[in-house]
Amino acid sequence: GDSVTQMEGPVTLSEEAFLTINCTYTATGYPSLFWYVQYPGEGLQLLLKATKADDKGSNKGFEATYRKETTSFHLEKGSVQVSDSAVYFCALRPGGGADGLTFGKGTHLIIQP
Amino acid sequence: GAGVSQSPSNKVTEKGKDVELRCDPISGHTALYWYRQSLGQGLEFLIYFQGNSAPDKSGLPSDRFSAERTGGSVSTLTIQRTQQEDSAVYLCASSLGVGGNEQFFGPGTRLTVL
Repeated sequence: GDSVTQMEGPVTLSEEAFLTINCTYTATGYPSLFWYVQYPGEGLQLLLKATKADDKGSNKGFEATYRKETTSFHLEKGSVQVSDSAVYFCALRPGGGADGLTFGKGTHLIIQP
Repeated sequence: GAGVSQSPSNKVTEKGKDVELRCDPISGHTALYWYRQSLGQGLEFLIYFQGNSAPDKSGLPSDRFSAERTGGSVSTLTIQRTQQEDSAVYLCASSLGVGGNEQFFGPGTRLTVL
């Protein structure tokens, strides 16, 4: 079946550091890919998405590119802030009409001032 | 507020009891989803509704789990004869329709089975 693998962390960085959170997936067909974020005490929110190969999703300074050849959707940000501390989830929605999301286990990101 | 709401926010029950969890989607959202978030398994898809129909029940872990949706709005997830392994946060999400539409998540119901 479909699956998503991401580094679990915690990942601890200093403010203004460069961030990469790796995400790879296994899926049949042509899935859509997502990054969701869960800030402390809040619900899951969509951060960005990409629906086809080579698409780049971006939001709030974060970017991820849908790489079909490496089945990856790594999340990057050039300069992180303390307010980016959260849990980040990579997810896919299968192609072919199925609609439930398959999530990775989440990466806990801690940004220190 | 206009977001997805869930009740109760916390539920503690004894093993063997039945529980009902409720989800109120965003008004006008025709698709509704249930997920479970637990320490061991992460976030798992359970079931989704398009209107009142459930095209995909593949994620329901056992026949003790069932869900319904009435009037294309409120949904209830029922767990019968709860077990300790059912302890988790149950999340509901809704979207304008199936397909690529963004899923908006509620705050979840934390279920603890003693």
